[in-house]
Amino acid sequence: AQSVTQPDIHITVSEGASLELRCNYSYGATPYLFWYVQSPGQGLQLLLKYFSGDTLVQGIKGFEAEFKRSQSSFNLRKPSVHWSDAAEYFCAVGGGTGTASKLTFGTGTRLQVTL
Amino acid sequence: DADVTQTPRNRITKTGKRIMLECSQTKGHDRMYWYRQDPGLGLQLIYYSFDVKDINKGEISDGYSVSRQAQAKFSLSLESAIPNQTALYFCATSDFPVGPEETQYFGPGTRLLVL
Repeated sequence: AQSVTQPDIHITVSEGASLELRCNYSYGATPYLFWYVQSPGQGLQLLLKYFSGDTLVQGIKGFEAEFKRSQSSFNLRKPSVHWSDAAEYFCAVGGGTGTASKLTFGTGTRLQVTL
Repeated sequence: DADVTQTPRNRITKTGKRIMLECSQTKGHDRMYWYRQDPGLGLQLIYYSFDVKDINKGEISDGYSVSRQAQAKFSLSLESAIPNQTALYFCATSDFPVGPEETQYFGPGTRLLVL
C-alpha cells in the first residue's frame, strides 16, 4: 500500500529565510508525487508535481521539489520565504493508471512565518 | 486549473439529519472525488467516480453515499449524520485520461459541524 510521511507537524521560519519541508513516500512502482498548499479557509492548491524526467521540479510561487528515489523523498524547498507562505502543506503520492489512480496524502506540515 | 465549486461552504446540522453536499465543475473532467479532512489526519478518500456510471468506494465510505447526476455534478450525502462526521469535506476533479499521469484539482471545501 502506498503511504506518505511528513515528519514535521509544524515549522516556524523567519521571513526571508530558506525553507525545506520533508516528505517521504512508500510506493511499489514509479510514484507520481505532488505538493499542495492549503491557506487558511481555502481549498488545496497544487504547487507542483513530479511524474518523470528531471528530478528537480519547479512549481508556482517560487517553490521547487526534488525527487530522490534512493531516499524515497520528495522535499519541498523555497529559497526565501514570504509571510504569505504561511499555510499548511500536503505531500501526496499517486500512481497507477486505469482504475487505480488515487492520491494518498500525508498528514500535513503547518508553516508559520515570523516577521 | 479546474473550476470546482462546492455548496454549501459551511453547514451546521444535528445528529440523525440527512444532508447533501454538492460539487460542480466546469472543465469537463470525467473523474471526480470526495475527501474528508480531519485535523492531523490529512485527507481521506470517501468515494470516487470515473464517469457517470462508474462509482467506487474509497477508504472511509461507511455512513456516506454519493450521486453522480451528470458529468459536472457529484453529490455527497450523509444519510444520518453523526458527530464524528464533523470535518472539512473536499471535492476534487482530475484531468485523466489526458495523460497517464493524473492531477487532481480541489474545490474550496465544505466545513460541516454535526451537533
